[in-house]
Amino acid sequence: DAGVIQSPRHEVTEMGQEVTLRCKPISGHDYLFWYRQTMMRGLELLIYFNNNVPIDDSGMPEDRFSAKMPNASFSTLKIQPSEPRDSAVYFCASSLTLARQGEAFFGQGTRLTVV
Amino acid sequence: GDSVTQMEGPVTLSEEAFLTINCTYTATGYPSLFWYVQYPGEGLQLLLKATKADDKGSNKGFEATYRKETTSFHLEKGSVQVSDSAVYFCALTSNQAGTALIFGKGTTLSVSS
Repeated sequence: DAGVIQSPRHEVTEMGQEVTLRCKPISGHDYLFWYRQTMMRGLELLIYFNNNVPIDDSGMPEDRFSAKMPNASFSTLKIQPSEPRDSAVYFCASSLTLARQGEAFFGQGTRLTVV
Repeated sequence: GDSVTQMEGPVTLSEEAFLTINCTYTATGYPSLFWYVQYPGEGLQLLLKATKADDKGSNKGFEATYRKETTSFHLEKGSVQVSDSAVYFCALTSNQAGTALIFGKGTTLSVSS
């Protein structure tokens, strides 16, 4: 398996535009996590899915953020409209079970810059 | 709620120096503890873990011991290399059902030759 694959690696967009980040988890992993990393706040869990169903989205900062997992091999994180304070690195991770999320595999991240 | 506190960085060392990065936690019950490493431009990778008190996790020359009495999981390495330069994250998973991984803020290590 190629690991967790995220795209794009870098995204620069103007304030107000819609941004969609993509993630392909490791095949067979039932859990998928979206994290945001900033200098100020460190790593924050935004949302996680179990078998394509959102379980906990309490970390999603605002209604401008939404995440979907239409099937076991694909998830998106959408920001609409984007704002400069959304600039961060967004990571996707997957694990076999919730109990084994400590052994989660992370993608390389998407560095988002909103100007 | 549960939390992880790491020492502030950056930590700057010369090659072959001894490394300690402090990590303490607050949690109910007996969490599992982890150290992750993030190399420049990469995602996080699991470095080592410990699932019960007095367990020692080790990998690539790094070690950490789960100390229940001091609620600590300090990361150590006897002789660092330039290639160890990275950001290190301490993390825990709670025993409470349905809770996700909780990370510390990360400590940047810079090793010079």
